[in-house]
Amino acid sequence: KQEVTQIPAALSVPEGENLVLNCSFTDSAIYNLQWFRQDPGKGLTSLLLIQSSQREQTSGRLNASLDKSSGRSTLYIAASQPGDSATYLCAVEGDNDMRFGAGTRLTVKP
Amino acid sequence: NAGVTQTPKFQVLKTGQSMTLQCAQDMNHEYMSWYRQDPGMGLRLIHYSVGAGITDQGEVPNGYNVSRSTTEDFPLRLLSAAPSQTSVYFCASSYEGLGGYTFGSGTRLTVV
Repeated sequence: KQEVTQIPAALSVPEGENLVLNCSFTDSAIYNLQWFRQDPGKGLTSLLLIQSSQREQTSGRLNASLDKSSGRSTLYIAASQPGDSATYLCAVEGDNDMRFGAGTRLTVKP
Repeated sequence: NAGVTQTPKFQVLKTGQSMTLQCAQDMNHEYMSWYRQDPGMGLRLIHYSVGAGITDQGEVPNGYNVSRSTTEDFPLRLLSAAPSQTSVYFCASSYEGLGGYTFGSGTRLTVV
C-alpha cells in the first residue's frame, strides 16, 4: 500500500524567504506526482504535475523535483509572499488511485 | 468553464437520513473518483470509476454507494448517514496516468 508523507506538517517563514517542502512515498511504481494548493475551506488547485519519466517541473516561482528511485519529491518556492500562505498537498498516482500526504500548512508573514 | 462541478456545497443531515452528492465533469474524462478529507488525515479514496458502467471501491467505501450511467456524472450516495461521515467530500476526474487530476470545489457535510 502506497504511503505518502509530508514534512514538515507546518511551516512559518518571513516574507521573501526561499523554502522547500518535502514529500516522500513508499512505492516507486507511480504514473505521476502532483502538487496541489488548498486554501482554507476551498478545493484543491493543481500547481505542478510531474510525469514519472520527468525529473522536475517549473511554474513561475515554483519548482518541483521528483526522484522516483528514492521515493522523494520537493516543492521549492522562491521569494515567498503572504499570498503563498495555504496548505500544500503532495499526491502520487498509481493504478486507479491517487494517494495524498496530509499536507504542509505554510504561513508567510509580512 | 470546463471542470468538475459538485453540488451541494454545504449540507446538514440527521443521523439515518440518506442523500446524494452530485458530481459532473465536462472534460470527457473516463476516470472519476470520490475522496473524503478529514483533519490531519489527508484525502482518502471512497470509490472510483474508470468509465460508464464500471465502478470499484477505494480505501474507505463503507456506507457509500456509487453508480456511473454516463461519462459526465458520478453521484455519491450516503445510504444511512452517520456522524462519522461528517467530512468534506471532493470529486475528481482525470485521464488516468496522463494528465493528473482535476478536483471539484467540495461538499462540506455535517451529520448530527
